[in-house]
Amino acid sequence: GAGVSQSPRYKVAKRGQDVALRCDPISGHVSLFWYQQALGQGPEFLTYFQNEAQLDKSGLPSDRFFAERPEGSVSTLKIQRTQQEDSAVYLCASTALTGPLEETQYFGPGTRLLVL
Amino acid sequence: GQQLNQSPQSMFIQEGEDVSMNCTSSSIFNTWLWYKQDPGEGPVLLIALYKAGELTSNGRLTAQFGITRKDSFLNISASIPSDVGIYFCAGPRMDSSYKLIFGSGTRLLVRP
Repeated sequence: GAGVSQSPRYKVAKRGQDVALRCDPISGHVSLFWYQQALGQGPEFLTYFQNEAQLDKSGLPSDRFFAERPEGSVSTLKIQRTQQEDSAVYLCASTALTGPLEETQYFGPGTRLLVL
Repeated sequence: GQQLNQSPQSMFIQEGEDVSMNCTSSSIFNTWLWYKQDPGEGPVLLIALYKAGELTSNGRLTAQFGITRKDSFLNISASIPSDVGIYFCAGPRMDSSYKLIFGSGTRLLVRP
C-alpha cells in the first residue's frame, strides 16, 4: 500500500509478557518515528530513526522499551515484561526528509496494546 | 517543558454550524500544525502554519498562527457529519524540531 502500515492492529498481553510491534513506513522514507498515545491524550514522542540509525531515544519511558530498524526500512518496537501502564496506542510515522520534519510526518493507523 | 493546551475538550454541534477551537502555550512555537484523528486511525495533517499572523485555509478549514506565536486557532465552517473526530494541535520542540508536541485534543461530534 501507499501509506504507513502497522501490525498487529490490536494486541492483548498478559502482564509480564514481551510484545513486538511492527511498522512498515512509506517506501523510500528515510526518517521514522514512534509515538505513544494514552487514552484521551495526544501522541507523545518515543524515538526517531534516520535510516538504520537511532538518533534519539529520549522518549522511551523505560529500559523495557527497545526499538530497532536494522535495514533502514521496517522498524520494530519491543516492550519487555509489559506492565498495565504500557497500555496505549503506539503510532509510527515516517517522512522522506532529514531536515526539519514537522510538516511531512505521515502516521500509520497504530497498534492498540492492552496489558491485562 | 513546552506544553500545548487545547480548548474546548469536546464539542457537540448541529450539522451546518461553524466550529472554533484553539490551542495555547506558555512558550513560543515556530510552527503550528493541526491534525485530525478518526477512530482507529492515526492523525492526518490538515493545515501547517509557519509565520506569526499567518492565516491559511484548506477547504472549509481555516487556521491562524497567533501574533505572539503562543497560540493558534482552527475554524471549521458549515460542519458535516464526516467532520467528527479528534482535532489536535501540534508543534515542534524548540530543541529538537523533529519531536512533535501534541495537545490533548478537541473531540468534535456533529448531530445530523
